Amino acid sequence: QSALTQPPSASGSPGQSVTISCTGTSSDVGVYNYVSWYQQHPGKAPKLMIYEVSKRPSGVPDRFSGSKSGNTASLTVSGLQADDEADYYCSSYAGSNKHVFGTGTKVTVL
Amino acid sequence: EVQLVESGGGLVQPGRSLRLSCAASGITFDNYAIHWVRQAPGKGLEWVSGISWTGGTIGFADSVKGRFTISRDNAKNSLYLQMNSLKTEDTALYYCAKSLGSGIHEGAYNYWGQGTLVTVSS
Repeated sequence: QSALTQPPSASGSPGQSVTISCTGTSSDVGVYNYVSWYQQHPGKAPKLMIYEVSKRPSGVPDRFSGSKSGNTASLTVSGLQADDEADYYCSSYAGSNKHVFGTGTKVTVL
Repeated sequence: EVQLVESGGGLVQPGRSLRLSCAASGITFDNYAIHWVRQAPGKGLEWVSGISWTGGTIGFADSVKGRFTISRDNAKNSLYLQMNSLKTEDTALYYCAKSLGSGIHEGAYNYWGQGTLVTVSS
């Protein structure tokens, strides 16, 4: 049950787009569509941004989008805003009633 | 308004036990799977355990299997995590998180508590 692999950091200027990858295996991301993405600001609880690979919960702007190809899922944030600066984590169902989170990516808005 | 409130954290010696609770309000508690997620100081998120809406399906991370148990009391809108044989590496902020669905496989935690801090140290 190894953590999913994310880049430690990503950055972009306001208005630009940033894409974060989340690489798993054929036992988790590659085989299940239960991939979620969370945003966490310092000192706060995580917030669900994307679920089931590409679905957005009510209230999440459509600037946030998710996709998956093979063993890698991706989160794209378009039209970057200052408040998007946060840590982002992916998560996937891994079978056998287990879940696994990604290593986390710190997004900086330049 | 949906609220999840964790309690039961504290300072405990290695090898001892602790029981965490999560009280839910503002939701039909027994419609949803609930999970425990922890975050060590300055570190990332780690899934710990989850339980389906009926309590009939449960799961644990390999790091806690055999030491932690999870349960829920739908009549009391409450979730519990019994932590035994605690290790220093169990030190973390423990969140309870409500799933969008009733099955443990769905994940998708759309509501989180503020967490309860567990510190395992001699």
